Amino acid sequence: NAGVTQTPKFRVLKTGQSMTLLCAQDMNHEYMYWYRQDPGMGLRLIHYSVGEGTTAKGEVPDGYNVSRLKKQNFLLGLESAAPSQTSVYFCATISGGRTEAFFGQGTRLTVV
Amino acid sequence: AQSVTQLGSHVSVSEGALVLLRCNYSSSVPPYLFWYVQYPNQGLQLLLKYTSAATLVKGINGFEAEFKKSETSFHLTKPSAHMSDAAEYFCAVSEGAGRRALTFGSGTRLQVQP
Repeated sequence: NAGVTQTPKFRVLKTGQSMTLLCAQDMNHEYMYWYRQDPGMGLRLIHYSVGEGTTAKGEVPDGYNVSRLKKQNFLLGLESAAPSQTSVYFCATISGGRTEAFFGQGTRLTVV
Repeated sequence: AQSVTQLGSHVSVSEGALVLLRCNYSSSVPPYLFWYVQYPNQGLQLLLKYTSAATLVKGINGFEAEFKKSETSFHLTKPSAHMSDAAEYFCAVSEGAGRRALTFGSGTRLQVQP
């Protein structure tokens, strides 16, 4: 039972390159979220999904896209990476009947 | 809209001393409140949560927090700090309905001196 698994754990991108971060959960949770963590700013919500096939914008969605084609997977895409997207990205899930979030281990992304 | 303010980005205590990390929240509805801990290069782990039951909430590792509606606060305490408590701590609020996303504070890094 792995919980919430993020792939990859580390990545270095050049400005303008694209990539996709994968979040996979085996807890059958309805809600999934992508956050970014920057020093002194806590975690800020990028996009979220309240169920398979649904997505919505969070606090800082610009420059990112998401998809949730399967309930267990939530993908975060960067179409054209910028240095401002250098951050640690966390995926989180919440069960439909609960309030607490479960987090992945994070993806450390550096855009040069 | 919901928001969280954590007073003090860095807190340093001596081993065995009281730990007090401050959190104030804003919410348009009765909130759900959380404290998470993050150890270096790891994800966030739930310490404790308040979900409108008892106002004094006990969590893991000897931590507890008290919900005070009149002060809109949810401060985290531990009577005696241990070296292993050194980490970053995040307070979070959820309005518990609709999108259910948590809004986080900016975090407090706790340093424990020997």
